[in-house]
Amino acid sequence: DMKVTQMPRYLIKRMGENVLLECGQDMSHETMYWYRQDPGLGLQLIYISYDVDSNSEGDIPKGYRVSRKKREHFSLILDSAKTNQTSVYFCASSLSGLGYAEQFFGPGTRLTVL
Amino acid sequence: GQQVKQSSPSLTVQEGGILILNCDYENDMFDYFAWYKKYPDNSPTLLISVRSNVDKREDGRFTVFLNKSGKHFSLHITASQPEDTAVYLCAAGANTGANTGKLTFGHGTILRVHP
Repeated sequence: DMKVTQMPRYLIKRMGENVLLECGQDMSHETMYWYRQDPGLGLQLIYISYDVDSNSEGDIPKGYRVSRKKREHFSLILDSAKTNQTSVYFCASSLSGLGYAEQFFGPGTRLTVL
Repeated sequence: GQQVKQSSPSLTVQEGGILILNCDYENDMFDYFAWYKKYPDNSPTLLISVRSNVDKREDGRFTVFLNKSGKHFSLHITASQPEDTAVYLCAAGANTGANTGKLTFGHGTILRVHP
């Protein structure tokens, strides 16, 4: 069953705490993504990873960092979370980094920073 | 500025009707155009996509039209059904250099189809 998984699904943190969001995929996809979705703003790309240790900033990377040590796993880290990072975070993967490849999305993580 | 823009935040139609969702873009380098569908509390899924070498692609009730000179693409849905009620996100990408693999999404159009 090919899919993208995200853990945790829901998370509440206090301002200043560190946050780790995990994403996994079992399709051997090269490319993985982290997006955030806010009301009325669609999906905004935070980071893209073309393969292990080959990461690139998206449109809104400030306040975030990522880690990809295995092809099937991509982590999003918030060092010292801020209240404006409250959002729904989606991970996605695609077969390759070519722009024509369909992106498969995980179920999302709803993060609340108090 | 917003590179990919959906002009209608929401749209309501009666079941069976034809509807058109619109998307405008700014970047001349975009050569891939897609529509994703998202149900509430679910993840987006690809509905239909087209490359810039064609101006139309049809898949059942769904057709995407591309107007490159006007920097515009649209999604036409025929015989609309209540199950079409969802958020529709348009997206565009350019397969060049540092932008390879990146999609820019619009803000979404909330579609409601009434029985």
